[in-house]
Amino acid sequence: DIQMIQSPASLSASLGETVSIECLASQGISNDLAWYQQKSGKSPQLLIYATSTLQDGVPSRFSGSGSGTRYSLKISDMRPEDEAEYFCQQSYRYPLTFGSGTKLEIK
Amino acid sequence: EVQLVESGGGLVQPGRSMKLSCAASGFTFSNYYMAWVRQGPKKGLEWVAAISYDSSTTYYRDSVKGRFTISRDNTKSTQYLQMDSLRSEDTATYYCARLYVYYGSNNMDAWGQGASVTVSS
Repeated sequence: DIQMIQSPASLSASLGETVSIECLASQGISNDLAWYQQKSGKSPQLLIYATSTLQDGVPSRFSGSGSGTRYSLKISDMRPEDEAEYFCQQSYRYPLTFGSGTKLEIK
Repeated sequence: EVQLVESGGGLVQPGRSMKLSCAASGFTFSNYYMAWVRQGPKKGLEWVAAISYDSSTTYYRDSVKGRFTISRDNTKSTQYLQMDSLRSEDTATYYCARLYVYYGSNNMDAWGQGASVTVSS
């Protein structure tokens, strides 16, 4: 199975700040990396797929990058509605696997 | 509007069975792979199973192989998860998810509200 190591586990940011979340895959995943946002008490929502393609309706302050085994999610201009937990997921091979999550809160 | 609505969760004793259903609407169900993802209490996301458009191919995580069965009925736009020999570690919220297959990659682009399953005596 492909392991996804996500960091940091938690993050605190001020409004307007830029934050980054990292995911490291245990083997190459050919840019088949997705990011999800889960707000408290809600279902996850797809933000980004194929490393950098924004899902419809996702604000452009979200961006993704990476290659090989290293991937990242950047949130620019932090807004109150961005407070949530974020998960990466390798979409390359079954079994599909997720990172352990990053809790992002407003400072 | 794409909607996925799970049903069938609840409290079940260890070793017993439970069947979850997921009714889909707002899209052509038979055009999509479907999946189940679970989230234990205060835990992260864990993919459970997936099924192809025509049910010809199914995938399971190792910990549920031989105990869980994913299926679908395209005439009813509904997928199912039959869970047998349930264990306490299966306690979780189970999400139904639509799989968007993009150049071979499998992304979950729509999610249900979740069904809570508690395995306890």
